Amino acid sequence: DVKVTQSSRYLVKRTGEKVFLECVQDMDHENMFWYRQDPGLGLRLIYFSYDVKMKEKGDIPEGYSVSREKKERFSLILESASTNQTSMYLCASTTIGAGGEQYFGPGTRLTVT
Amino acid sequence: AQTVTQSQPEMSVQEAETVTLSCTYDTSESDYYLFWYKQPPSRQMILVIRQEAYKQQNATENRFSVNFQKAAKSFSLKISDSQLGDAAMYFCSYRSVYSGSRLTFGEGTQLTVNP
Repeated sequence: DVKVTQSSRYLVKRTGEKVFLECVQDMDHENMFWYRQDPGLGLRLIYFSYDVKMKEKGDIPEGYSVSREKKERFSLILESASTNQTSMYLCASTTIGAGGEQYFGPGTRLTVT
Repeated sequence: AQTVTQSQPEMSVQEAETVTLSCTYDTSESDYYLFWYKQPPSRQMILVIRQEAYKQQNATENRFSVNFQKAAKSFSLKISDSQLGDAAMYFCSYRSVYSGSRLTFGEGTQLTVNP
């Protein structure tokens, strides 16, 4: 079974802190994604990566950056956390091919106070 | 850009009954994929069903089936013989064949199953 894990289920940070969210997948998938989930807005794509050291902006990249140094690991970075970044963050991965399903991690619920 | 709309924020169904969740999308493309994902409470999102736009036949997975109306840009999910374990947030999503593997999601529909 494909497994996507995220470093924390719950995280509480203070405004201005630098926050790292880690995601690891064990199926050698090329593509990895970071989404943000908010009530009434569904999932919105923050950043994605097609390969190691490659990244592309999604629909809401402002205030975020990413890092992919190894194929299995994709990190989301909040350079200076703000209260409007309080949300559920979901990581996903998939293999190359337009029909492939995305496999999701359990999510990290981040609260910024 | 493609958009996906789920007009029912919440739905409820009695156990063993049938429920239909609605989804519409907007695209100028002729070839694409549509998905329904399920997110149970405090559990990981999983794929329920997938539909390729070039296939006229509606996809079916056990108790789950879709009604795909390409001209109307409609993609509804029917759950038959609803079970308590079907209670979840359901997301409709779109994937273009031209823009890699990224997905566009709808707002979600929270399904409650009443015993």
